[in-house]
Amino acid sequence: EIVLTQSPGTLSLSPGERATLSCRASQSVSSSYLAWYQQKPGQAPRLLIYGASSRATGIPDRFSGSGSGTDFTLTISRLEPEDFAVYYCQQYGSSRTFGGGTKVEIK
Amino acid sequence: QVQLQESGPGLVKPSETLSLTCTVSGGSISSYYWSWIRQPPGKGLEWIGYIYYSGSTNYNPSLKSRVTISVDTSKNQFSLKLSSVTAADTAVYYCARDYRRTTVTPGYFDLWGRGTLVTVSS
Repeated sequence: EIVLTQSPGTLSLSPGERATLSCRASQSVSSSYLAWYQQKPGQAPRLLIYGASSRATGIPDRFSGSGSGTDFTLTISRLEPEDFAVYYCQQYGSSRTFGGGTKVEIK
Repeated sequence: QVQLQESGPGLVKPSETLSLTCTVSGGSISSYYWSWIRQPPGKGLEWIGYIYYSGSTNYNPSLKSRVTISVDTSKNQFSLKLSSVTAADTAVYYCARDYRRTTVTPGYFDLWGRGTLVTVSS
């Protein structure tokens, strides 16, 4: 099973700042089959990024994904108030596993 | 647009079987894969398994011995059964579309239901 480790656990930032979230895999994720999701309290997760770097339909361009192999990054270029949430990475190249999540909170 | 809605009992007794149904509306269940995912209160996400509209399945190895996922294309629904439940199975259960860009590439979850909380308690 591919284990995904997300860091940091919590990121305290102000609106307008840049957020950089990390997702590290215990073994290489084939063909960059990695996705990112955003989850707000009481809501289902929402797909942001698939294929490591492709934005899902309707996702603003301030969200970007990068990486390959075992190291992946989600970047939010300028945080908007609605971006404060928990973010999960997920690999789908070998079965499906999720990372533990990174909470982006208002500083 | 396509929407998913989970339904089923919110309370299940230990050792019994948890049963949930996901109804797909606004589109056909055919030609897609569909997954169940759960999230214990305050914790992260765990994939349970998927089913293709034809009936083929794939389960999380950690749950495989207790899970059955089935599909009813006539009702545009798919279902989850999880047997021998314990308190550790208490979670919000989500159904989701397991979207594949091609027939040979694996899928990610592009559409989600709102989730339903299932509590295991006597």
